[in-house]
Amino acid sequence: QKEVEQNSGPLSVPEGAIASLNCTYSDRGSQSFFWYRQYSGKSPELIMSIYSNGDKEDGRFTAQLNKASQYVSLLIRDSQPSDSATYLCAVTFPFNKFYFGSGTKLNVKP
Amino acid sequence: GAVVSQHPSWVICKSGTSVKIECRSLDFQATTMFWYRQFPKQSLMLMATSNEGSKATYEQGVEKDKFLINHASLTLSTLTVTSAHPEDSSFYICSARARGSGYEQFFGPGTRLTVL
Repeated sequence: QKEVEQNSGPLSVPEGAIASLNCTYSDRGSQSFFWYRQYSGKSPELIMSIYSNGDKEDGRFTAQLNKASQYVSLLIRDSQPSDSATYLCAVTFPFNKFYFGSGTKLNVKP
Repeated sequence: GAVVSQHPSWVICKSGTSVKIECRSLDFQATTMFWYRQFPKQSLMLMATSNEGSKATYEQGVEKDKFLINHASLTLSTLTVTSAHPEDSSFYICSARARGSGYEQFFGPGTRLTVL
C-alpha cells in the first residue's frame, strides 16, 4: 500500500513568518516529489518539484527532500495571507502514478 | 505554458442521465492524462490513467463501465459518467503530463458535478 502522510492541520502562522509543511511517504522506490497548492473549490496548482536529496529554492518556497528518512518538506518564507490554502504533497512511484497526501491546511493570519 | 482546460466547469443533471466532461491540453501534447475525483474536505483520488490511443487503466474500485474514458488525441480526453446517481456528485479534475517533460502533472480547473 502506497502511503503519503501529511498533518491535516490547520497550521496557523502570522504574516511574515516561515510556514513549514511536512510529508512522509512509505515506499523507498518513490522517484519524484511535488508540492501543490489548492484553494478551496479550485484545482491544484503546482508549486515545486524535487527529484534529488537536498534543498531546492524557488522564490519564497524551498522544498527539502531526504530519501533516507522518506521525508519531504516545503518551507514558505515571508508567509502572506494569500498563501492560505491546502498544500498537497504528491509522490510518484514506478508507473508514474501520483499518490497524494490528504493535504495540510495553512492559515496565514494578517 | 502547460494549460489544461475542462468543460463544463459545473453541471447539474438528473439521476440516471449521462454526463460527459472534456479535458484539453491547450498548448502542449499530453501523452498521458489522469482523472481524479475529490469529495469535500478530502484529497484527490485517482480514478484512471489514460494514454493516447489506448484503453484507460482504472484504479481498484472504479467501475470502468460507469466511468468511460476516451483519449482520442494528444490534446483531448473525455470522461463520461453513465447513469449518474447522487453519490457520483463530486469535483472531477483531470491532469495531463506533457510529452518529453518530467513527471509533473498540470491540472485542469475541475468540473463540479451535482446529480439530483
